[in-house]
Formats: sequence, structure tokens, C-alpha cells
Amino acid sequence: DTGVSQDPRHKITKRGQNVTFRCDPISEHNRLYWYRQTLGQGPEFLTYFQNEAQLEKSRLLSDRFSAERPKGSFSTLEIQRTEQGDSAMYLCASSQKETQYFGPGTRLLVL
Amino acid sequence: AQSVTQLDSQVPVFEEAPVELRCNYSSSVSVYLFWYVQYPNQGLQLLLKYLSGSTLVKGINGFEAEFNKSQTSFHLRKPSVHISDTAEYFCAVRTGTASKLTFGTGTRLQVTL
Repeated sequence: DTGVSQDPRHKITKRGQNVTFRCDPISEHNRLYWYRQTLGQGPEFLTYFQNEAQLEKSRLLSDRFSAERPKGSFSTLEIQRTEQGDSAMYLCASSQKETQYFGPGTRLLVL
Repeated sequence: AQSVTQLDSQVPVFEEAPVELRCNYSSSVSVYLFWYVQYPNQGLQLLLKYLSGSTLVKGINGFEAEFNKSQTSFHLRKPSVHISDTAEYFCAVRTGTASKLTFGTGTRLQVTL
């Protein structure tokens, strides 16, 4: 059990650029979640996959955001035309049942 | 809809003193409750969880929490804190029908000598 991994750990980009983050869940976990955490706040839910199916999306997930989990293993989160308000920590979690295990996060800074 | 309130944004405490971090939730259905800890620039680590059964749950690093259904609370306690416990602590709730976790705004535990 190597835990949830995320890549990159840090990303600095200019406003208007596209960015993509990757999450590798714990191998036997069929559920994968994305959350966003801004400074001084708790994580907020963005979206959820069961295997390759995206089953729930938050209203926080604007049309500039897209997430995929093509083979039910790793997942990617893409943000198009980044804005300064997208600066945050993006957390991935995976689960098999009730308990979610989190990765180290990707910290995004949009200049 | 479910929500979580962490009543204290910061809790300063001296090393070896006891501590309680408060968490209240609201939900119209049965819930699962979690406490996570976050060290600077890191992800969230699970401290403990209540799924069912005994209302007193024990977790890692000497922490424990008690589920109180009538008061809709899940307070986190430790009888004697250490400097290394300095971190941000998040309470989270999940209902049986929902998949997502709903988090509180966090409590910063600051342990000093």
C-alpha cells in the first residue's frame, strides 16, 4: 500500500494558461475524489468517480474544469484558462468503502 | 444538506496539557464522522473515524473522540499534547447516501513549551 500520490506537488502558472494535475489512488480503491482547499479553509468537494464513471460534480466545478479517470485507475484534473482565483491546494482522495485517504496535494499558484 | 461547525479557529495549549477540539454537525440522516490532521504543506492524514458501534473511538497519536448523537457533536480529545501535535485539525461528515465529505473550517492547534 503506497498511498495516494499526486503530481506535480507544486505548479506556478500565468493567468490564462491551462494546467493538468494527476492523481494515482491506492491500487484496490474504486472510488476517487477531488477537493479544493483555499487558505484558511477546509477542503471543498469538486467531483467523484466510481471506477471510470464520474458520478457527481460540485457547482464549484465550472466549465473551465474537467476531470477524467479513463481506465478506472489514475485520474487527471484539467483547468483551462486559469484565473487568479484558481490558486489553491488541489487534493485527491481514494476509498474502497466509507473512509477516504488523501494524497499530499498539488499547490497551484496563478500569477 | 450536511454541515460541520468547528467552533474554535485556534487553540493554544501548553505541552503536556489536555486539549479538546470541538466539532458539531448537522444532518437529517445517519452520519459517518472523521477527524483529519494536516501538517504544513501536506495532505490530510486520518486521525480517527466513527462509522457505527461504540461512541468512543480511539485513533492514532493518542487522540480519541466521542460521538454524541443528541448533541450532534464529535469532539476530539487528547489527555497530554506534545509539540509535534501542532497542526491544523479538520472534522468531516459524510452521510450514508452521499459520497463526498463535508469539512469544517479547521482548528489550528498550537502547542508551546
